[in-house]
Amino acid sequence: GAVVSQHPSRVICKSGTSVKIECRSLDFQATTMFWYRQFPKQSLMLMATSNEGSKATYEQGVEKDKFLINHASLTLSTLTVTSAHPEDSSFYICSAKGTLLRNTEAFFGQGTRLTVV
Amino acid sequence: SQQGEEDPQALSIQEGENATMNCSYKTSINNLQWYRQNSGRGLVHLILIRSNEREKHSGRLRVTLDTSKKSSSLLITASRAADTASYFCATDNQAGTALIFGKGTTLSVSS
Repeated sequence: GAVVSQHPSRVICKSGTSVKIECRSLDFQATTMFWYRQFPKQSLMLMATSNEGSKATYEQGVEKDKFLINHASLTLSTLTVTSAHPEDSSFYICSAKGTLLRNTEAFFGQGTRLTVV
Repeated sequence: SQQGEEDPQALSIQEGENATMNCSYKTSINNLQWYRQNSGRGLVHLILIRSNEREKHSGRLRVTLDTSKKSSSLLITASRAADTASYFCATDNQAGTALIFGKGTTLSVSS
């Protein structure tokens, strides 16, 4: 299947700092990328959908000024957690769909474990 | 928002046994997908079943779909320790643009 690379896999940051997470589609052009958040032993919650070259669409309750999403190219989307606080500690996962892939299948990155201390 | 519920939430079995997980959803769907997640990792796509299909097989996996009951089941036959993971069902959101996941079933297979 198609490959989505997410980086970093783990990050620890101090409260008040910002953290950037990258999501890259390695062997296909990702017209749409998705960012999910997962708390321990819980399911994935969709945070936002981003289309290349346009503003991301955020789910209800997700602060767009806190979770900045940029999808500037067909192979890269970034999620920046700004002014991080301990409650932002979570597992963040991206996924991607491309025009050349079957419409319904999305491919997932390996996730980023964010710990805010 | 979450689309549905899986049950059981946790399942522990011995190697060689079959594992059945169920998923219920709320709205009409075009298709339903099952994903697997190893602890602390990303998701791996297992199988997709379309709304006009009732059953689908892939290796040791068997998925059924009952649109009248808005439910699906995933059966893993002859389970192995390596099948230990969390399993999620997923359907498209209302806009048809993103996947919405159920709460998941955590499967533990002991040897």
